[in-house]
Amino acid sequence: DVKVTQSSRYLVKRTGEKVFLECVQDMDHENMFWYRQDPGLGLRLIYFSYDVKMKEKGDIPEGYSVSREKKERFSLILESASTNQTSMYLCASSLFQFSYEQYFGPGTRLTVT
Amino acid sequence: GENVEQHPSTLSVQEGDSAVIKCTYSDSASNYFPWYKQELGKRPQLIIDIRSNVGEKKDQRIAVTLNKTAKHFSLHITETQPEDSAVYFCAASLVNTGNQFYFGTGTSLTVIP
Repeated sequence: DVKVTQSSRYLVKRTGEKVFLECVQDMDHENMFWYRQDPGLGLRLIYFSYDVKMKEKGDIPEGYSVSREKKERFSLILESASTNQTSMYLCASSLFQFSYEQYFGPGTRLTVT
Repeated sequence: GENVEQHPSTLSVQEGDSAVIKCTYSDSASNYFPWYKQELGKRPQLIIDIRSNVGEKKDQRIAVTLNKTAKHFSLHITETQPEDSAVYFCAASLVNTGNQFYFGTGTSLTVIP
């Protein structure tokens, strides 16, 4: 069974704080993704990575950065949190070669006050 | 980039009736179309997918059809049950190294007992 875990289910931060969201997968997947989910907007891709130290911008990268130092771990960083970054953040991973399915983590509900 | 539109945004059906959710995409090069189901408070999970060399795929009460010429694909759920109540997301992807998905905005399906 593929397991994707995220460091926190709920997080409350203040405006201007630096925020780290961590995602870990245990199935040796090459690809990892960070999405944010907002009502009526669906799942929007922030960043993805197809290999260690590789990253690609998604549709809404502004205000975010990422880090992938190890294959199993993909971190999302909010350099200076703002209230419009209050959202549900979902991490996903996929194994490119044999299956295109993306496996999602449980999500982190981030509130920025 | 790819643009995926999904309709309707909400759908209510009586138990036992059929439900149909439709998506259109803009990039004719897209070749992989998954559907995800997200129950309340849970992570999205793949329920069915279709590749561009196939026109229809079925899995028990769920089917997906693809019309490449018109660039649209649909999810069909027959004999709906209360446990089908969830948010459904379609996505389109051009399978490559990064396997980026472009998601629709979601359909909230309610099955009325």
